[in-house]
Amino acid sequence: EVQLEESGGGLVQPGGSLRLSCATSGFTVSSTYMSWVRQAPGKGLEWVSVIYGSGFMYYADSVKGRFTISRDNSENTLYLQMRSLRAEDTAVYYCARGGPEWQPSEYFRDWGQGTLVTVSS
Amino acid sequence: DIQMTQSPSSLSASVGDTVTVTCRASQTISRDLNWYQQKPGKAPKVLIFGASTLQSGVPSRFSGSGSGTDFTLTISGLLPEDFATYYCQQSYSTPWTFGHGTKVEI
Repeated sequence: EVQLEESGGGLVQPGGSLRLSCATSGFTVSSTYMSWVRQAPGKGLEWVSVIYGSGFMYYADSVKGRFTISRDNSENTLYLQMRSLRAEDTAVYYCARGGPEWQPSEYFRDWGQGTLVTVSS
Repeated sequence: DIQMTQSPSSLSASVGDTVTVTCRASQTISRDLNWYQQKPGKAPKVLIFGASTLQSGVPSRFSGSGSGTDFTLTISGLLPEDFATYYCQQSYSTPWTFGHGTKVEI
């Protein structure tokens, strides 16, 4: 069974840092593309970042230069290092697994339950 | 960036109704369009990917169509569990972008 579980959220002051983790089971994180998607309170979904099996990474303009996506293949865990946090980064952060390698369409196949990050003084 | 415009932003419907949600991309995205359902306090769930492919386990009352810039999600015969918010998302090019959502209410 595929499972994704985020952790590491919490309250942080503006300008601070936080590292989110997404522990997975039932598949190998390096075998597919893995993403972070966030949702501000009462708002819609916003894609944040993706890391492909090849290691290529992409970011939304709103987080580029401040957030870093990575993975630990031995731990089968996805990370999101967040720096220089702003109030507008306040959101529930979801990790999401991509579709199968043979599928040309890219989509978010499985999601974790999310972890809340609150940036406030 | 590719902008995704969903309409309507909300709609009222009854059990048994057929509902249509539309999504328009600001430029052509071929068939790289996905649909998600989200219920309050829960993570989104993929319904359809590649514009029209039903994700495994998703009931056949959900269907998707379209290509290029215009896409449609149709729910045929609404059930109580279908009242939720629906999002489209393009995966044609990064940054991947979502529509603002359509809330389907009773």
